[in-house]
Amino acid sequence: GNSVTQMEGPVTLSEEAFLTINCTYTATGYPSLFWYVQYPGEGLQLLLKATKADDKGSNKGFEATYRKETTSFHLEKGSVQVSDSAVYFCALRLPYGGSQGNLIFGKGTKLSVKP
Amino acid sequence: DGGITQSPKYLFRKEGQNVTLSCEQNLNHDAMYWYRQDPGQGLRLIYYSQIVNDFQKGDIAEGYSVSREKKESFPLTVTSAQKNPTAFYLCASSTGDHRNTIYFGEGSWLTVV
Repeated sequence: GNSVTQMEGPVTLSEEAFLTINCTYTATGYPSLFWYVQYPGEGLQLLLKATKADDKGSNKGFEATYRKETTSFHLEKGSVQVSDSAVYFCALRLPYGGSQGNLIFGKGTKLSVKP
Repeated sequence: DGGITQSPKYLFRKEGQNVTLSCEQNLNHDAMYWYRQDPGQGLRLIYYSQIVNDFQKGDIAEGYSVSREKKESFPLTVTSAQKNPTAFYLCASSTGDHRNTIYFGEGSWLTVV
């Protein structure tokens, strides 16, 4: 079936460290891929997205590239800040099927950045 | 401002009661969704609606009901049949194209007391 797997957390980094959160997916067809961020007690905000192979999504210093050959969409940031502390969700959205374009989520990765 | 408004932010339910969570959007989106979030389990789809007066069950619809009488509104009722309703509930909306972003509200916390 269709699914998203992302690295287990929590991840703890020092400020200015390099961040990678791995995300791989299984899907039939050609999904769109998303990274959402959730701050404590809040809803989800779109961080970035990519809608076709080799696209790179970027926002606020975060980047992720849609790799069809490895079915991956890893999130990276060169220098994290304390304000980046949040839970990050990788998700895919299918162009067809019974769920009609619904998002399929990974379980989330909690990131804590220490000053 | 455009967006998705959920209310109430916090809600307490007694055993055996039905409660309704409100979701309103002014983004002119056709599709609306309800998700449930439990710690460590990510988000799971409860119900979704692609058009007014039509909705479909998601992965965990048992114990929940919805209506879609207006394009802007998609309320969720948590019935007494839902055995473990304590969770964070998120409403979302989108246009139908899978390349477009699904936008989320701020969420509602439901606690059974």
